Parts: sequence; C-alpha cells; structure tokens
Amino acid sequence: GAVVSQHPSRVICKSGTSVKIECRSLDFQATTMFWYRQFPKQSLMLMATSNEGSKATYEQGVEKDKFLINHASLTLSTLTVTSAHPEDSSFYICSAILAGGPSEQFFGPGTRLTVL
Amino acid sequence: TQLLEQSPQFLSIQEGENLTVYCNSSSVFSSLQWYRQEPGEGPVLLVTVVTGGEVKKLKRLTFQFGDARKDSSLHITAAQPGDTGLYLCAGGRGGYQKVTFGIGTKLQVIP
Repeated sequence: GAVVSQHPSRVICKSGTSVKIECRSLDFQATTMFWYRQFPKQSLMLMATSNEGSKATYEQGVEKDKFLINHASLTLSTLTVTSAHPEDSSFYICSAILAGGPSEQFFGPGTRLTVL
Repeated sequence: TQLLEQSPQFLSIQEGENLTVYCNSSSVFSSLQWYRQEPGEGPVLLVTVVTGGEVKKLKRLTFQFGDARKDSSLHITAAQPGDTGLYLCAGGRGGYQKVTFGIGTKLQVIP
C-alpha cells in the first residue's frame, strides 16, 4: 500500500517550453501532496504544498507563476514548469500523506528534468 | 526555519562494520522520520519516532529519538552492501504536516 507514482520519469525539453509532471497516489486518497526539488548533492527542498480543491501554498522564494500546481482530485496533483530554463533542471519529487494520518510522507520515484 | 544537521555527510565502510549517523537540531520536533534514498529514486520511509527517548529497531537498524526531541541517531549493525544509499532525516511539527529535511548522510558499504 501507499504507492505514489510520477510521470514522466525523465524529460528533456528546450528552453522556453513548459513541462507538466504528474503525481498520483495509486491506492489511497491524499488531500495533501508536496512538491520537492533536489539538486545534485543537496537535500530535498520543499517547493509547495498542494491541497485538493484549493490553491497551493508556495514556500518562500518559489515563483507560483512559474511553477503551476493543480490538485484536481484526491489522487492527482500536477506541477507545470512554465517557460523552463536550464537552471530549472533538477530532480522533482512529489509526496503524499495518507488522509487523516501523521506527517509520514510517501514519495514518488521522482522526475528528472533537463532543460537544454 | 528549523535546520536539521546530519553527520557525517559521507561515510565509506567495509561490509560487517557498525556505524552511527546523527541528526541534530536546535529546534524541538514532534516527530522525526528517517528515509533512505537510492540514486534517481524517491526517498523511502524507514521509521517514524515521536516520543522523546524512543528507540525503534528495524532488523539491523536502530533508531533513537533524543530525550529533548531535538536530535536522533541511526545505528546500523554489521553493515551490508545493500545498506548503501542516502539516509535522510526529516523533522515534523505537531499537527502540521510539513517536514524539514536534513542534507543527508551518503553511506557506501564496500563488499
């Protein structure tokens, strides 16, 4: 149980294009999902908290107009990197929390984004 | 912002050796989780500790939460190559689901 998937696992795009990453909880409902970014040899940095049916909450320094988050259902959150630039290249990871559970997070396998 | 410091950041040991990695903060956390992350994958939860002084064992892994709930340790007995990975600690605050991650300890167990 508690499986989270991400799609795609890898994506390469040209500078200026937009990329959408999906995060799905496969066998449970998640009212809250988190989006992280991890640069090489660094820890996970929280970008935003995605809440089903409401606007996402962004961490300080994260541009909400650049990183669009939609949490349209209890099992799906999407992150769209708009007008991507090479500095956006990173490993993007989502996590989900069991509805009503403690702060244990179940992570997706991550998406490697490379912007040329 | 609460910072979680992990030490050592890198550790290379021979198979069969014991090791301890540490997670320290000046802030109090209501819960602390340990994760292991393989390259190119998301972190996998190992354990959650919530009570000061709590000790949890997972096969050869022993996790301890400090009495003051500001620090934690992970001890591995008789390390095996399969233990190789990045070990991350993450602290949570009561009633609030966000956690803060440490930078991690990269462990390499040499056969």
